[in-house]
Amino acid sequence: GQNIDQPTEMTATEGAIVQINCTYQTSGFNGLFWYQQHAGEAPTFLSYNVLDGLEEKGRFSSFLSRSKGYSYLLLKELQMKDSASYLCAVFTNRDDKIIFGKGTRLHILP
Amino acid sequence: DTEVTQTPKHLVMGMTNKKSLKCEQHMGHRAMYWYKQKAKKPPELMFVYSYEKLSINESVPSRFSPECPNSSLLNLHLHALQPEDSALYLCASSLPTSWDTQYFGPGTRLTVL
Repeated sequence: GQNIDQPTEMTATEGAIVQINCTYQTSGFNGLFWYQQHAGEAPTFLSYNVLDGLEEKGRFSSFLSRSKGYSYLLLKELQMKDSASYLCAVFTNRDDKIIFGKGTRLHILP
Repeated sequence: DTEVTQTPKHLVMGMTNKKSLKCEQHMGHRAMYWYKQKAKKPPELMFVYSYEKLSINESVPSRFSPECPNSSLLNLHLHALQPEDSALYLCASSLPTSWDTQYFGPGTRLTVL
């Protein structure tokens, strides 16, 4: 079956670092997306990992381990505007589809 | 231009109405997508067009009818919808080869009465 797991909610403090984990079990694997979605708005693309390892983009980094079916999104120097839902999604190569996790709602405290 | 536009922003329709949602992009992307998103849920893929041809239809009811008249436009025709079809409808586009870097439009919030 297809399964993507990520925590439902997390809380962190402004200026701190937070890591949002995602584990997946899917029929085939092409790559893994991370999206940010503010309430009432469309998702915004953050990263797409195809190969194992860490990719850094400014304050955001994404890590992938295909052998472990595991990814994380690392957010540094947290800002209040980072309060949002973070969606992990896998692009499978069996049916050529994107499967989304349920999202992690991140709350930033001042 | 890295923008995907969608019209209208909001739509209220009755169950007997016929309406259309429109999506447009001028990034030269040849893959375009329709997603449906219910409140507090992740987006669900509905349709994928690749080079103006329907390549994926995720078992969506026939009351939703997609159309891709050219490489920049994607429509979703709605007819005889149900109240449970009320949701945010998102359009996205990307290069067709590997679906990476999908750009989403702002969405159309649909309410079916």
